[in-house]
Amino acid sequence: QITLKESGPTLVKPTQTLTLTCTFSGFSLSTSGVGVGWIRQPPGKALEWLALIYWNDDKRYSPSLKSRLTITKDTSKNQVVLTMTNMDPVDTATYYCAHQSYSTSWFPFECWGQGTLVTVSS
Amino acid sequence: DIVMTQSPDSLAVSLGERATINCKSSQSVLYSSNNKNYLAWYQQKPGQPPKLLIYWASTRESGVPDRFSGSGSGTDFTLTISSLQAEDVAVYYCHQYYTTPYSFGQGTKLEIK
Repeated sequence: QITLKESGPTLVKPTQTLTLTCTFSGFSLSTSGVGVGWIRQPPGKALEWLALIYWNDDKRYSPSLKSRLTITKDTSKNQVVLTMTNMDPVDTATYYCAHQSYSTSWFPFECWGQGTLVTVSS
Repeated sequence: DIVMTQSPDSLAVSLGERATINCKSSQSVLYSSNNKNYLAWYQQKPGQPPKLLIYWASTRESGVPDRFSGSGSGTDFTLTISSLQAEDVAVYYCHQYYTTPYSFGQGTKLEIK
């Protein structure tokens, strides 16, 4: 059974750097054909894809946020970390991590964490 | 970047009636080498993460009731709920995973009439 859980601060000040950790179980990010992504959702708004890291350390970012995002993995700890610099109140959102896999073809994000609400306010 | 546009933004349907949600991508999400459309549908209820319903445009995720079906190819897709149940009240999102940056539609809010 695959599970993912997001952790990090619930409140950050403008201009600060946000660091979120996704801790997962039920799969390994050292296995070929596995990825973990980050998606966020401002209150009452739509889902926005942020970043994705694959088993081979290939990293993909949202072009509009690429300069502010860094995604890394720690295979030994079963964790993926997302950092976002220069936080602004518009970055207030629930941040989700999710699992993606490849069999004969890529699947979408099948399993999601419960999400963590991050509020940006002074 | 691929832009996903859903219609309508909101929809009210009577219990037992059919609900139809449309999704259009700004470019094709059909992968020619395997003839699969990299289009998924999610259901999201308040306070919960999205739940995968449909992938490859028409393949139902395990455990999803068969009243949910997906269709379409290329750039135009549809999610159909054949007989609306009370528990289907939610926001529905389409999602392309054909290429990064991945993208989602703006969501369609489904309510009971």
